[in-house]
Amino acid sequence: GAGVSQSPRYKVAKRGQDVALRCDPISGHVSLFWYQQALGQGPEFLTYFQNEAQLDKSGLPSDRFFAERPEGSVSTLKIQRTQQEDSAVYLCASSPSEEETQYFGPGTRLLVL
Amino acid sequence: AQSVTQLGSHVSVSEGALVLLRCNYSSSVPPYLFWYVQYPNQGLQLLLKYTSAATLVKGINGFEAEFKKSETSFHLTKPSAHMSDAAEYFCAVSNYGGATNKLIFGTGTLLAVQP
Repeated sequence: GAGVSQSPRYKVAKRGQDVALRCDPISGHVSLFWYQQALGQGPEFLTYFQNEAQLDKSGLPSDRFFAERPEGSVSTLKIQRTQQEDSAVYLCASSPSEEETQYFGPGTRLLVL
Repeated sequence: AQSVTQLGSHVSVSEGALVLLRCNYSSSVPPYLFWYVQYPNQGLQLLLKYTSAATLVKGINGFEAEFKKSETSFHLTKPSAHMSDAAEYFCAVSNYGGATNKLIFGTGTLLAVQP
């Protein structure tokens, strides 16, 4: 079956631009996670949704980062006024329920110039 | 707080040799532990996970890991490396039952397999 998909796969933004990154989880998966992976590092947690409810946003690095999942399926991570330090791979993962294996998408590689 | 330490950011082995990737964890509650593999320009794929059942966990592609509470370790092994095993490997910890079942990752180990 279809896995987690993310779009765009690559995004180049000028410093100060706003960007929106999309995640399509596996159909029926309740839980959705966003992670940020800087170059040479492991992924770091950003935020977590259970259906449409954002239950944990403790990992969002600043108020420029905003995530939503309005209908409990597709999620969008928005970064306002991008900065060079935002350059990273943004990974989305979904799982059938809270305590099950997370399945990762291919990521969106963001480069801020 | 939970954390994971992966010893060795780069490991190189010969094809057919033993693969040993090290992971130590810190957790104040019984942990769930994971190994993920990441191929270039791809997402993370689960190799195996420990969820408090058997301490020796077998995963895909011939990998296995042993949970050793006394050593707070969860090292990943494979008896015989294959060229296709070249990738980056991440150890992660989670505490299911906590507020969020987020994964906390180590910094990764890049495995090179020499012919």
